[in-house]
Amino acid sequence: GQQVMQIPQYQHVQEGEDFTTYCNSSTTLSNIQWYKQRPGGHPVFLIQLVKSGEVKKQKRLTFQFGEAKKNSSLHITATQTTDVGTYFCAGRSNYQLIWGAGTKLIIKP
Amino acid sequence: SAVISQKPSRDICQRGTSLTIQCQVDSQVTMMFWYRQQPGQSLTLIATANQGSEATYESGFVIDKFPISRPNLTFSTLTVSNMSPEDSSIYLCSVEEGNTEAFFGQGTRLTVV
Repeated sequence: GQQVMQIPQYQHVQEGEDFTTYCNSSTTLSNIQWYKQRPGGHPVFLIQLVKSGEVKKQKRLTFQFGEAKKNSSLHITATQTTDVGTYFCAGRSNYQLIWGAGTKLIIKP
Repeated sequence: SAVISQKPSRDICQRGTSLTIQCQVDSQVTMMFWYRQQPGQSLTLIATANQGSEATYESGFVIDKFPISRPNLTFSTLTVSNMSPEDSSIYLCSVEEGNTEAFFGQGTRLTVV
């Protein structure tokens, strides 16, 4: 079946360091979405990428969609404690969202 | 954006019993989605609920175990039947607007003892 692989599963960073998570789909996607889930919360939409090669920025967050529309990345510059949570990608194929496994961002004390 | 009210937020249930989870949306939506999320894991789609027709279940999920109702365009229920400890999880309802973002209820944290 269709899958979206997301790595890494966890990333431990010092506050102020950068964070990146990657998603790769087995099939071409019509779009890809990114969500953030805080501990104890539900997923909250961050952004959607639709076009091949698209790059979007939200303050310290940079989202990319690959040329083949099969891969995507989320990069956070200079992480802050408020960035803690799990980041999920979700690829749209036909009508269904296919969710990545998520990457948990952990800030080292 | 859609606002979804989901209840209960959490419950502790005895094995062998059933729990019905409700989701109310503040606008009319064609499809509602029910997910399960094990602690620390990703979201697994249980079924898609359309108003006026039977829900469409994903592989590994059956109607007898997870009956779904969708009586109108703003409401749906998911029942977890004959529960066992393996059913302990977070259950989430979701709606999507067009082909864009998904909105989630607050989730139901179920513990089966």
